[in-house]
Parts: sequence; structure tokens; C-alpha cells
Amino acid sequence: GQNIDQPTEMTATEGAIVQINCTYQTSGFNGLFWYQQHAGEAPTFLSYNVLDGLEEKGRFSSFLSRSKGYSYLLLKELQMKDSASYLCAVRDSNYQLIWGAGTKLIIKP
Amino acid sequence: ETGVTQTPRHLVMGMTNKKSLKCEQHLGHNAMYWYKQSAKKPLELMFVYNFKEQTENNSVPSRFSPECPNSSHLFLHLHTLQPEDSALYLCASSQDPGQGAEKLFFGSGTQLSVL
Repeated sequence: GQNIDQPTEMTATEGAIVQINCTYQTSGFNGLFWYQQHAGEAPTFLSYNVLDGLEEKGRFSSFLSRSKGYSYLLLKELQMKDSASYLCAVRDSNYQLIWGAGTKLIIKP
Repeated sequence: ETGVTQTPRHLVMGMTNKKSLKCEQHLGHNAMYWYKQSAKKPLELMFVYNFKEQTENNSVPSRFSPECPNSSHLFLHLHTLQPEDSALYLCASSQDPGQGAEKLFFGSGTQLSVL
């Protein structure tokens, strides 16, 4: 079967750095997405990786290793507004999106 | 503001009620989706419409009935639901489905409670 694993919950301190991991086992691979979802709000697109390596976008970076079936989302200089759920999703060989259950990130002052 | 609007934001209904969820996108996209989001579970794709035609139905029970009158509007008609159908129902749109870096634009969802 197809599976996406990510931690259920993480806690970090304001101003610090946090890394949210995502591992996947899917039938083929056509890209990996990260979305952010604040409580009671719509998920919003953060990043897309299809080739190995690091994609940097401001305070957020996303890394992909296709050989390891692994990605992480790196958040730097954490702010209270970064408290949200972070969803990892992989597009498989049929271009279907397979979703993880999300990681709830709690930022403490 | 994501450009995708869902109404109502909250809905409480009995198992014998009939209700409808509405979604409208102002992005000029060709594809629209219904997802179910339950606590601590992955998003579940329910239905996909591409150019108003249903292209996917992921074994969803018939008590959920989608309708897509045009490429900007999507409805989910609900009848004789079960308590386990209580969840957040998310609508999304995209320019073209399943294309590479194609990203989804989501609405804020309807939080449904079935009593």
C-alpha cells in the first residue's frame, strides 16, 4: 500500500529552528508538496520538490531525497504565527496525491 | 483569502436531514475537488471534477452526492448521514488536475457534525 509518515506533533521555541520530517512509500513519484494549515483555515501551498536537494523560500526550506523516500521542511527564526499543521503529500505514478496525516507544530514563547 | 469560498462554515444536522455544501472558486481554474478531513487522519479525496465532468469518485457512499453546474461552482448534497461522517469537508481547485507541480487552492472548509 501507499503510505506517508510524519510526526503527529512537535513543539519548538520562538526564534529557534525546527525540522519536520516526511517519509513516503508510494507507487512511483511525481513530486512532493508541503502545505500549511492554521486551525480552522484552508491549507495553503508552501513548497514543491521533484528533484533531489534543497529548495529555499525565505524562512522555509524543503529538502528531498528520492532514493531514501524522504523529505523535510525546515522552518527558521520561528514565529508564533508558524503554529499550524504541516501536511506532506506525494504525487504517485498515476498523478494521484497521497497525503500524510499532518504534523501539528506548537510554538512556545 | 485563497480565492475559494465555502459555505456554510459550520453545519449541524440530524441523520434524517438533507443539506448541501457550497463551494465557489474565483480563480478561473478548470478542476474542483471535495476532500474529507478527519482529526489526525490524512486528507481523503472524495470527488474530482474537470471541466464540469466528474473524473473521480473514490468509493464514496451514495449518501454524498456531488454536483458541478459550471467550472466555478461545486456542491456536495448530503442525506441520511451517519455520525462517522462528522468531519471537515474541504473544497479545492486547480488549473489542471494531476499536472506536475500543479498545486491546490483550498477553501476554509465546512465543519460538519452529524447527530
